[in-house]
Amino acid sequence: DAGVTQSPTHLIKTRGQHVTLRCSPISGHKSVSWYQQVLGQGPQFIFQYYEKEERGRGNFPDRFSARQFPNYSSELNVNALLLGDSALYLCASSLTGTLSNQPQHFGDGTRLSIL
Amino acid sequence: ILNVEQSPQSLHVQEGDSTNFTCSFPSSNFYALHWYRWETAKSPEALFVMTLNGDEKKKGRISATLNTKEGYSYLYIKGSQPEDSATYLCAFGGSSNTGKLIFGQGTTLQVKP
Repeated sequence: DAGVTQSPTHLIKTRGQHVTLRCSPISGHKSVSWYQQVLGQGPQFIFQYYEKEERGRGNFPDRFSARQFPNYSSELNVNALLLGDSALYLCASSLTGTLSNQPQHFGDGTRLSIL
Repeated sequence: ILNVEQSPQSLHVQEGDSTNFTCSFPSSNFYALHWYRWETAKSPEALFVMTLNGDEKKKGRISATLNTKEGYSYLYIKGSQPEDSATYLCAFGGSSNTGKLIFGQGTTLQVKP
């Protein structure tokens, strides 16, 4: 079975541009979460979607938005990019929308560099 | 602001040594504590999910304990091997309604042959 897939793997943008990152969860998983990881820090929670509805939002500005599609894949959009948005963006999927005993299954991430 | 702290930040051990790391988290509104292993150039891999005070989990040479009343978890690696070299992340879940996890900054383990 395929794991969590993210695209693209690497992306270079300039300040002010916008970007769309994509994630396909493991087959059967209905929850997708997005995390931002900056070097030297742990992943920071951005959003969680479950059954196409937003279930949680982290402390990120409104420039960050996301959605989940009927096939449970997800997009993360970032507008008006800033240098500080340079990071590894991780997507994780899980069976349910709650923590319970369900681990998160991570993709390899998208490395976003802002020039 | 909820804080999850891990110590030490990094650790260098010799092959065969046993080692342990600490994860400290808020003792209120606890729902779950996760441990992940993150090897270089790979994605984070789930090791354990613990929900009950006093929980102990084991996977091969790696084990973890949980104390929710005092807000800490220990991860133990017995007889470290070079393939154990990775960053170990713990993550705190404070709500049953979402999958939101608050991660620590990780402990990076280097095992020398």
